[in-house]
Amino acid sequence: SAVISQKPSRDICQRGTSLTIQCQVDSQVTMMFWYRQQPGQSLTLIATANQGSEATYESGFVIDKFPISRPNLTFSTLTVSNMSPEDSSIYLCSVDQPSGSPDTQYFGPGTRLTVL
Amino acid sequence: QQQVKQSPQSLIVQKGGISIINCAYENTAFDYFPWYQQFPGKGPALLIAIRPDVSEKKEGRFTISFNKSAKQFSLHIMDSQPGDSATYFCAASGATGRRALTFGSGTRLQVQP
Repeated sequence: SAVISQKPSRDICQRGTSLTIQCQVDSQVTMMFWYRQQPGQSLTLIATANQGSEATYESGFVIDKFPISRPNLTFSTLTVSNMSPEDSSIYLCSVDQPSGSPDTQYFGPGTRLTVL
Repeated sequence: QQQVKQSPQSLIVQKGGISIINCAYENTAFDYFPWYQQFPGKGPALLIAIRPDVSEKKEGRFTISFNKSAKQFSLHIMDSQPGDSATYFCAASGATGRRALTFGSGTRLQVQP
């Protein structure tokens, strides 16, 4: 399976600031996904990021609030902009398995964000 | 609207017992059904997955049972161990070509020694 790392692992931020989360994969993957997991809750898809194209956002998530970059097949960033306490969550990136079943997704360790 | 419903919300099982978690889906276009295990402070880890062309898949102590007509699938953990204590999520993908996952609400499993 792909090895996925995220930076930072956790952060505490002030209201109104922005944080960029990095996701690095040890192999080339076509599709990367960003999910949000609010405290004690399930995972909700924020957007799908394909290399060389604009990210596709889910209902309730907009590019101005969560801009995403996907400069190559091993890296992506998610920015949480103009943060409020409601943005306190774990943010997870996931990737399709580069070989084998294309539907198999593996997750990074997550970035735990606290907004004061 | 939640497309994958999961129950129970929490589950306590004695060591050596069988843990059973159930999920139901609405969208018949789903064609891939994975289960993830998540420990506190960690990302979800793929446990086992099934496609609707089979009714059961077993990997070690973990078994998925799938009922296509009822649009339900379940995870069975045999000989449950304290180390299995975690949150389990069912998920589904494949609707209208989407490969992103739709998750159930999660089940917090506690296996008592």
